[in-house]
Amino acid sequence: GAVVSQHPSWVICKSGTSVKIECRSLDFQATTMFWYRQFPKQSLMLMATSNEGSKATYEQGVEKDKFLINHASLTLSTLTVTSAHPEDSSFYICSARDGTGVYEQYFGPGTRLTVT
Amino acid sequence: GQNIDQPTEMTATEGAIVQINCTYQTSGFNGLFWYQQHAGEAPTFLSYNVLDGLEEKGRFSSFLSRSKGYSYLLLKELQMKDSASYLCAVMDSNYQLIWGAGTKLIIKP
Repeated sequence: GAVVSQHPSWVICKSGTSVKIECRSLDFQATTMFWYRQFPKQSLMLMATSNEGSKATYEQGVEKDKFLINHASLTLSTLTVTSAHPEDSSFYICSARDGTGVYEQYFGPGTRLTVT
Repeated sequence: GQNIDQPTEMTATEGAIVQINCTYQTSGFNGLFWYQQHAGEAPTFLSYNVLDGLEEKGRFSSFLSRSKGYSYLLLKELQMKDSASYLCAVMDSNYQLIWGAGTKLIIKP
């Protein structure tokens, strides 16, 4: 149980275009979803936290107009990187919490974004 | 400020035992997590400690001392597949995870 999927697993896009990444909880309802970014050889950096049906809470330094997050249902959250630039190339990972028991986060497999 | 410290890299021999330490200073404490992350993959959950003491789960054990702000992950009977980064994360008073930079563990035959 507690499986989180992400799509796509990798994507290459041209500078200036937008990319949408989907995060789905497959067998549980995710009351809270998190979006992380990870650069090579660095730890996870939390970008934003989203609760179903409400606006995402962004971490300091993360541009909300550039990284659009939509948590429209209890099983789906999307991250759209708008007007992508090469410096946005990174490993984007989502995680989800079901709001019961231990506050464990279940991670998706990640999406590797390369902007050329 | 909030801070999680763990060694950057450790090397151990296959079949041996290794202990990865983590010290933390956070605003509040609602538990400490250890995750394993292989290169290019997402983290996978290993353990959760919220009370002092040792939690054993197969070859892996995790220890917590809240008064010392200290935890360790103990890996026994090391296997080559244990080569990975090990991330320590503390849940603060806002139930937000504060992540350490991770310890890269290299296993040699």
